[in-house]
Amino acid sequence: AQSVTQLDSQVPVFEEAPVELRCNYSSSVSVYLFWYVQYPNQGLQLLLKYLSGSTLVKGINGFEAEFNKSQTSFHLRKPSVHISDTAEYFCAVSDSGGSNYKLTFGKGTLLTVNP
Amino acid sequence: NAGVTQTPKFQVLKTGQSMTLQCAQDMNHEYMSWYRQDPGMGLRLIHYSVGAGITDQGEVPNGYNVSRSTTEDFPLRLLSAAPSQTSVYFCASGDAGPTFGSGTRLTVV
Repeated sequence: AQSVTQLDSQVPVFEEAPVELRCNYSSSVSVYLFWYVQYPNQGLQLLLKYLSGSTLVKGINGFEAEFNKSQTSFHLRKPSVHISDTAEYFCAVSDSGGSNYKLTFGKGTLLTVNP
Repeated sequence: NAGVTQTPKFQVLKTGQSMTLQCAQDMNHEYMSWYRQDPGMGLRLIHYSVGAGITDQGEVPNGYNVSRSTTEDFPLRLLSAAPSQTSVYFCASGDAGPTFGSGTRLTVV
């Protein structure tokens, strides 16, 4: 079984500040990792994903994440946030084999960017 | 290219009523899934399908039924709605980072 822990349920930051949203996972098999963003009253949009290769993954809207296998982490970072980044962010994991369409999600981190 | 289309966007049901949440995708994906989202719980997998005619249960399947007669459509049926099924339901299509629909917000009173 897999699990995902998002260490912060809420993260308030000021505009133009850097932000890190933390995600740790647990799995007995090799994994794929994902970050999704959900704007108010909308569906989930894929920000970035790690499947293989370079452990530093760049996504949309200036976000990036680093896969750390030894620490079983996949933290999301942005060097300078905007008001428009206010949203809920979900970290998710799947196995890297034949069931990679089945995601296990964390409980989400609400990022609030204040002026 | 519409991606994943869910209907309706909102629905209110009385306890014991049945209904079908519709999901259609135009990306020719084999894999489709249904999730429910509850406050503070993230998203949990209800049912999934690996192709037309093939479905299986996810983490929280009780009270829900699915079928997959075509590649494009994957409806979710609530057999007898209960207040515990009040939630936002998302359909997803594809693998290794599936595409999500915009959701159906369901309230059972």
